[in-house]
Amino acid sequence: EPEVTQTPSHQVTQMGQEVILRCVPISNHLYFYWYRQILGQKVEFLVSFYNNEISEKSEIFDDQFSVERPDGSNFTLKIRSTKLEDSAMYFCASKQVLKETQYFGPGTRLLVL
Amino acid sequence: AQSVTQLGSHVSVSEGALVLLRCNYSSSVPPYLFWYVQYPNQGLQLLLKYTTGATLVKGINGFEAEFKKSETSFHLTKPSAHMSDAAEYFCAVSDLVQGAQKLVFGQGTRLTINP
Repeated sequence: EPEVTQTPSHQVTQMGQEVILRCVPISNHLYFYWYRQILGQKVEFLVSFYNNEISEKSEIFDDQFSVERPDGSNFTLKIRSTKLEDSAMYFCASKQVLKETQYFGPGTRLLVL
Repeated sequence: AQSVTQLGSHVSVSEGALVLLRCNYSSSVPPYLFWYVQYPNQGLQLLLKYTTGATLVKGINGFEAEFKKSETSFHLTKPSAHMSDAAEYFCAVSDLVQGAQKLVFGQGTRLTINP
């Protein structure tokens, strides 16, 4: 069964460094999402992406964040200058057009020191 | 704005007992409702969903949930708990099916199964 994959599974970085989190959505899906879950808190929506542009973003998704689909398979989340409070589990998700279900990847655990 | 409230951050039941995880939502439009499960160190897996039609929906692993519009609830149940059900469960709501359809999650309920 097709699944969303994410790399790396864990990333440790220093405050102020740039990180890129990578996702490979399910191949026939056209909507892509990033969510994050700070330890002990709820899963929060960051951004949705369709037709090579952001369709919606949350207040969390400020100028330090960007998303890109650099090729036909990858979907990336870049954090330009990481802060301590960016430490969280980041989930990628994808879905088909006109379908309700989002399929989630296993997540990337980001730790900012 | 949509919101989800899950009553009880931790629920503990004995193996073989009824599982009841509560979810209430707020939505200004007809909602789409979801339950996801997260096993330790894994991603979110869809258990079941309600979009339209029958209000009692069945999912994987013997779980089911009933959409009650009058109570704005979507509680998750399983008649007989199994040790493998130990996990964190998230209720989520969305609205548009045509469009980006972001999910709004509740805070999660950690289910513990006692032998």
